[in-house]
Amino acid sequence: AQSVTQLGSHVSVSEGALVLLRCNYSSSVPPYLFWYVQYPNQGLQLLLKYTSAATLVKGINGFEAEFKKSETSFHLTKPSAHMSDAAEYFCAVQAQFYFGTGTSLTVIP
Amino acid sequence: DAGVTQSPTHLIKTRGQQVTLRCSPKSGHDTVSWYQQALGQGPQFIFQYYEEEERQRGNFPDRFSGHQFPNYSSELNVNALLLGDSALYLCASSARPGQGYTQYFGPGTRLTVL
Repeated sequence: AQSVTQLGSHVSVSEGALVLLRCNYSSSVPPYLFWYVQYPNQGLQLLLKYTSAATLVKGINGFEAEFKKSETSFHLTKPSAHMSDAAEYFCAVQAQFYFGTGTSLTVIP
Repeated sequence: DAGVTQSPTHLIKTRGQQVTLRCSPKSGHDTVSWYQQALGQGPQFIFQYYEEEERQRGNFPDRFSGHQFPNYSSELNVNALLLGDSALYLCASSARPGQGYTQYFGPGTRLTVL
């Protein structure tokens, strides 16, 4: 069975500060992992995905994530937060059938 | 290139009624999945359609049914609506049903059951 756990339902950072959103997965097989972003009243947009080609995955809008098998983690990071990054972020495992409960990111000016 | 489109945008129904939601996949995609997203929650997988057949299904009752047409568009039907069915219903399409294929999401249909 596969599942994901997102630690922290709400994260606040100052503009320009590091963004770190945590995701841990559970999978009995090598996983495909995804991060999506959802802006208010909109659908989900793919930020990046891991498909075993490289452990460090770069996505859109300056986001990246590192797959760590030993820690069963796939945390999302961005070096410098921008006001436009404020949104809901979802981690998903395998063929996107399993989503985490989401982390709401607030960026403080 | 049009992305995934869904209709209607919003819908209000009363308990016991039936509802049909529609989805047109992204150009070149033949696989459609449906998700239910309750307020403050992550999307929950309902089912996936490929080649006009339901290929996989999540933990949803039979009140939730679907259809895929030869042009790959899809419908989600919900019978005997309950208050708990109020949610954002998301449609996603992909080039194939297999794992690893990126899903592209539509803007969703907001269903309110009174």
